[in-house]
Amino acid sequence: ETGVTQSPTHLIKTRGQQVTLRCSSQSGHNTVSWYQQALGQGPQFIFQYYREEENGRGNFPPRFSGLQFPNYSSELNVNALELDDSALYLCASSLGRTGELFFGEGSRLTVL
Amino acid sequence: EDKVVQSPLSLVVHEGDTVTLNCSYEVTNFRSLLWYKQEKKAPTFLFMLTSSGIEKKSGRLSSILDKKELFSILNITATQTGDSAIYLCAVDRGGGSNYKLTFGKGTLLTVNP
Repeated sequence: ETGVTQSPTHLIKTRGQQVTLRCSSQSGHNTVSWYQQALGQGPQFIFQYYREEENGRGNFPPRFSGLQFPNYSSELNVNALELDDSALYLCASSLGRTGELFFGEGSRLTVL
Repeated sequence: EDKVVQSPLSLVVHEGDTVTLNCSYEVTNFRSLLWYKQEKKAPTFLFMLTSSGIEKKSGRLSSILDKKELFSILNITATQTGDSAIYLCAVDRGGGSNYKLTFGKGTLLTVNP
């Protein structure tokens, strides 16, 4: 176990809805990265948060947004859900922006 | 655009066999290559490779990097059913302040008793 916890573990939404996924980082870690893993694919980088600010973003539209809180936990928000957003969303925490990543168990989102 | 290609995409072997998983990459400002094992959900870290030709070992697993030919291999000897998983290769591009990994699609390894 990495000490990174994510919630919820599973959820089902319909097209057009909005979703918020949560991540608690490992104790002492100040950086959180989010990845999207579609079925049969490797994880794709969404963005990273370091000390409450976005510190790099992958090739995802603006309807994917995030937050990091003073306790270094984080949220991923996705607006106007599309069918292709169905995936496993992985959160990883690290000590510093270039530290080793420790992944959580993920949140599996299904969009109908 | 950074690219990581893994082969084979899937592999079925019997317990006791030795397997070799391949990973080739194209990335600007290569910093490191990492291997992860993903059994159900959370990828777990196996190796980080930064230098060519230096083998890293952990029990029955070993890995090596060739920075000239831009590839890495992951070897698993005397496979066990518990080795069944998706093995992910990822590269980290340096030159920036963040740690953004580009992953391959993974190799699904099934070890039958």
